[in-house]
Formats: sequence, C-alpha cells, structure tokens
Amino acid sequence: DIQMTQSPSSVSASVGDRVTITCRASQGISSWLAWYQQKPGKAPKLLIYAASSLQSGVPSRFSGGGSGTDFTLTISSLQPEDFATYYCQQADSFPLTFGGGTKVEIK
Amino acid sequence: EVQLLESGGGLVQPGGSLRLSCAASGFTFSNYAMNWVRQAPGKGLEWVSVISGSGGSIYYADSVKGRFIISRDNSKNTLYLQMNSLRAEETAIYYCAKTRRSGYVRAEADYWGQGTLVTVSS
Repeated sequence: DIQMTQSPSSVSASVGDRVTITCRASQGISSWLAWYQQKPGKAPKLLIYAASSLQSGVPSRFSGGGSGTDFTLTISSLQPEDFATYYCQQADSFPLTFGGGTKVEIK
Repeated sequence: EVQLLESGGGLVQPGGSLRLSCAASGFTFSNYAMNWVRQAPGKGLEWVSVISGSGGSIYYADSVKGRFIISRDNSKNTLYLQMNSLRAEETAIYYCAKTRRSGYVRAEADYWGQGTLVTVSS
C-alpha cells in the first residue's frame, strides 16, 4: 500500500498569512493526488485534483504543486473560512489512501 | 444539483451486521464509480471501497475485505454497503462519495454525502 505522510500535523496562522502543507507518498504516484478541506461536522470538500488542477468553485488562493512523491498545497492569503483540516489522497493505485491530515488553526 | 443521502447507520453489537444506503440524484448515476469512505471519531479519513458505474469492478480496503460488500442498483440510483462481522474499531461516520471522472474507478471524489454514523458497541 502507498503511505501518505502530511506535514505539519497542525499549523497556527493568521488571516492573510501564506500557508503551505506538504504531502509525501511512499512511492511515486505521478500526479495522481487530490487535496480536500474538511470543517468540523462537515463532509470533505475537493479542492485540488491531479496535483495542481483547481476544482470548480474553489477560490484561486488555493494552489497545488508537485509530482512523483512530493506535493504541496498552498493557501496564498489565509481567510477566516479556511481554518479547517486538510487531507491529501493518492489515486495512483488501490487501496486509495489518505494522509493523516493537517489542521490549520487560528494564531 | 448533485445530492448524496446516506442512511442505515445506527448502533450494532460487535459481530453484528448493518446495511448502509446512499441515494443519489442530480447526475447520471450509472456513469460514475461510487466510493465509501469512513472517519472514526476525531480521526482521519479512511477509504473503504469503490464500485464502478456498471458494478463490474469492485475494490476494497484490506481491513474490510471478506466482511463488507459494496453494491449498487442503477435503476434506483442507490449505492449500498453491507457490513458484516463488525468490530468496535469500525465505529465511524460512513460517507458515500461520487468519483469525479465519468468512467474512472480510481479517482478523487468531488461530491460527498453528509455521512451516517455507525456505532459498534455492546
């Protein structure tokens, strides 16, 4: 199975800050990576697919990058509604696997 | 508007069975693979299973293989998950999720239901 490791597990940031979250795959997954946002008590929401493609309706302050084993999710200017937990997921092979999550908290 | 509505969750004893359903609307159900993903209280996301649009391709996480059965009824636009021999550690919210790309089984999910809580406890 492909293991997905996210870092950091949590980050404290202020509104307007630039935040970058990293996701590392235990083996190469090309660009088969997605990012999700989850708020407490809610279902996950797809933000990015194919490592860097922005899902329809997602603000352009979100961007994804990387390929192979190392990936990033960047929020260019953190907004109040962005405080949430973020997960990466690989779609290269079964079983599909998620990273452990990164909680973005208010500083 | 895409809508996914799970039902069937509840309290079940260890070793028991439960059948979850997910009613879909707002898209051509038979064109898309569908997933089940679960989340234990306070924990991260765990993919459980996926079924292709036709039902001909099915994959499971190793942790549920041989105990859970995913199926779908395209005439009713409904996805199912039959869960047998349930364990306490499988207490979680179970989400159904639509695969983003038509015709692809192995892909990200663009729409999720609100989830249904399964509690496995004596």
